[in-house]
Amino acid sequence: EDQVTQSPEALRLQEGESSSLNCSYTVSGLRGLFWYRQDPGKGPEFLFTLYSAGEEKEKERLKATLTKKESFLHITAPKPEDSATYLCAVRSSNTGNQFYFGTGTSLTVIP
Amino acid sequence: GAVVSQHPSRVICKSGTSVKIECRSLDFQATTMFWYRQFPKKSLMLMATSNEGSKATYEQGVEKDKFLINHASLTLSTLTVTSAHPEDSSFYICSARGFGVGGSTSTDTQYFGPGTRLTVL
Repeated sequence: EDQVTQSPEALRLQEGESSSLNCSYTVSGLRGLFWYRQDPGKGPEFLFTLYSAGEEKEKERLKATLTKKESFLHITAPKPEDSATYLCAVRSSNTGNQFYFGTGTSLTVIP
Repeated sequence: GAVVSQHPSRVICKSGTSVKIECRSLDFQATTMFWYRQFPKKSLMLMATSNEGSKATYEQGVEKDKFLINHASLTLSTLTVTSAHPEDSSFYICSARGFGVGGSTSTDTQYFGPGTRLTVL
């Protein structure tokens, strides 16, 4: 059975304090791992898609990496506006077109 | 590119009435649209998947007669909550995947709408 686990559940950082969020997955035939950012009361905003181990994507202060078992979302020198819930999702040969979402990491960056 | 809109953003209705929520892909053609429900501080729960011109596929436990989904065109899907009850109050979010996103033919990524907050009194 496909599983996606995100950790930590919640993370509080001081502004400028870099850290990483984890998304561990167990799927049959990964067909894509996706990172989203969700602000309260809004729909998820697409950040990155990763397909194969070793792949990396960057956008401003965010960098996503992928191994065969997990993905990391690295946040470098975060700012308060980076506060949000970060969701990862996987698409596998079992899920077809559907995504299987993790429960998210709630990030708070304190000025 | 890859903009998905939802309307309305908020709706309050009386118990027993029906509510229709629209989901539109504004700058690409959505071959597949998804409807999710999200409870406070919880992740997204997939309700159904719809392909343009076909009947929606509902997830286990989702009543298809209560949550009517129509995907009549490549840019529009609608979710109608029939005979709404207070327990149907939730945040409903649609997403779309398709082709023509930003000039590319990427079909893997789901792009989400801003969500609709439904409150049933």
